Amino acid sequence: GQQLNQSPQSMFIQEGEDVSMNCTSSSIFNTWLWYKQDPGEGPVLLIALYKAGELTSNGRLTAQFGITRKDSFLNISASIPSDVGIYFCAGPNSGGGADGLTFGKGTHLIIQP
Amino acid sequence: KAGVTQTPRYLIKTRGQQVTLSCSPISGHRSVSWYQQTPGQGLQFLFEYFSETQRNKGNFPGRFSGRQFSNSRSEMNVSTLELGDSALYLCASRTAWGLEAFFGQGTRLTVV
Repeated sequence: GQQLNQSPQSMFIQEGEDVSMNCTSSSIFNTWLWYKQDPGEGPVLLIALYKAGELTSNGRLTAQFGITRKDSFLNISASIPSDVGIYFCAGPNSGGGADGLTFGKGTHLIIQP
Repeated sequence: KAGVTQTPRYLIKTRGQQVTLSCSPISGHRSVSWYQQTPGQGLQFLFEYFSETQRNKGNFPGRFSGRQFSNSRSEMNVSTLELGDSALYLCASRTAWGLEAFFGQGTRLTVV
């Protein structure tokens, strides 16, 4: 099956710093989704990307759909304590989405005061 | 608009028992999918239902099954529970044409 590789696995940063994380795949994706999961909760959709080269923002979050269609990037500017959590990239297993989503293993974001 | 609702939030079962989890999708969403999340394997696709029909199933044994009702609510059943079935089970709903999946809070299943 398809696999998504996320890096870094963990990030320890200071409040106020900018954050960058990425997701790569050996196969092409037509859609990239970024989720955030807090402990004990379900993933929350942050940003959806549908077109190669697309750059989309949601507040302090910016995500990009790589032009090769095999990667995507998520940036968080001026991090705050509530940004702590696990960030997942995901892509549909098929074009129509009926095969569900493949998820990366996640990037754990830890903010030191 | 209410989000995806999963019940119960927590469940403790004994090996060999069976369990049924419930999911109510976002109003208007007809597609419901289920995922298993464990520390070792991460988030893995179990199956998806649309209009009461299972459209696809992930690589899980037949002990894992589900169904969807005419109001789009879905249930997931696991029979003959094993210790390795302990996980967070997540339900997600989406529109018929959209790829964006919206998740519930999950059901934390512990098998002892």
